[in-house]
Parts: sequence; C-alpha cells; structure tokens
Amino acid sequence: DAGVIQSPRHEVTEMGQEVTLRCKPISGHNSLFWYRQTMMRGLELLIYFNNNVPIDDSGMPEDRFSAKMPNASFSTLKIQPSEPRDSAVYFCASQFRGAFSDLNSNQPQHFGDGTRLSIL
Amino acid sequence: DQQVKQNSPSLSVQEGRISILNCDYTNSMFDYFLWYKKYPAEGPTFLISISSIKDKNEDGRFTVFLNKSAKHLSLHIVPSQPGDSAVYFCAARSAGNEKLTFGTGTRLTIIP
Repeated sequence: DAGVIQSPRHEVTEMGQEVTLRCKPISGHNSLFWYRQTMMRGLELLIYFNNNVPIDDSGMPEDRFSAKMPNASFSTLKIQPSEPRDSAVYFCASQFRGAFSDLNSNQPQHFGDGTRLSIL
Repeated sequence: DQQVKQNSPSLSVQEGRISILNCDYTNSMFDYFLWYKKYPAEGPTFLISISSIKDKNEDGRFTVFLNKSAKHLSLHIVPSQPGDSAVYFCAARSAGNEKLTFGTGTRLTIIP
C-alpha cells in the first residue's frame, strides 16, 4: 500500500525564492496535516484540512506561508518569499477521520518521509 | 507552553532488557494518546495508542500505560531489540479535535 508521498525530498534554494512542497495523502483518508520540525520547536502543526477544507491554520507562522488542497489526493504548502529561518523538515500526514461520537473511530495520523528544506 | 513533555532526551538500554519511555502532559482535555517512532530521514511511524478510558494497551512487545491522575503515560518495550533504536515521540489530542500535540522526543539506543 502506498503511504503518504511527499515531494521533493530535498530542496535547496536561495532566500527570496518561492518554494512549493507537495503531498499526496493515503487514498481514502479525509484529513491532511502539514507539520514543520525544527531543533528549537520540535514537531509543530502548521495547518490541517478535513475533506479538502482548511480547518485550522493557526500554526502557519506568517502570511508568507500558504497551503491549498484542491482535491482529495493533493495538497501544496507554499512559502513566498522564503527566508533562511524557514529551513526545516516539513512533514505531511493524513488520517481517516471517523465520527466524533465513536471512540473506536480514533485513527492515527500517517506521515510522509518529509521534505528537507534549506534556504540559503 | 509545552503541553506534552518528554523530559529524557535520550535513553540507552541493553538488548533484551526493558525500555521505558516516559511522557507527561498538562492539558486535562487530552483524551487520546499516541506513540510514534522515527528513524533518521523518515517520517514518524505510528506505534501504539491509548484512549483515556483505558489505563493499558498492549501490542506485542509494546505496552502503553496511562495514569490520568498523574497526567503521565509510558511506553514499555520488552524485550528491546537493536531495531528499536530510534527517536520516540509522544503525542496527544483532545476529544473532537484532530490536532496532535507532540513531545520533543526521546532518542532510544539499544546496545547489542
């Protein structure tokens, strides 16, 4: 079974450039999450979608960051313009979200292998 | 404010012995807890979870214990194997909320 697929795996670019990270969630999953991992802050949630709709973007650091999910099988995280402090590993995760009232519907999030982003 | 804390950044255990990883949380609204394992250059992989209605969940060599009154959970691995060497993250979420809050991780090294 294909897991969460992220591309590119590595990205090195100069500050000021636009960066686009891509994610394909697991088929059938209806929630998608973007995380950033840094040494200082660990794994932090940036934004998540449910049924392609952004639900919570309170973790997005600045207006330079934007995320879209045009359909159930694709999402992008864009940084424009990029800055050196954006250097981090960015993870995408997906999950099947069941009914709120059903405790058995608790499902874990499944992560991609991440994109290591370096802004020079 | 770190709502999920893993106070031990690293842990070394002899192969075959028990590994115990600890996690504390401060948010009493958390009702579902997960452990993830992460190898270098890979994403976190789900390991085991526990709902707040339970105090123990077991899956093979892995057992998670939850002490709600102490707001503490632990992951036991027995017997420990070299392939268990990885970074382990504790995570939590509250009812009806899909957001996971992660701890900072504990690097487990199994010594052959």
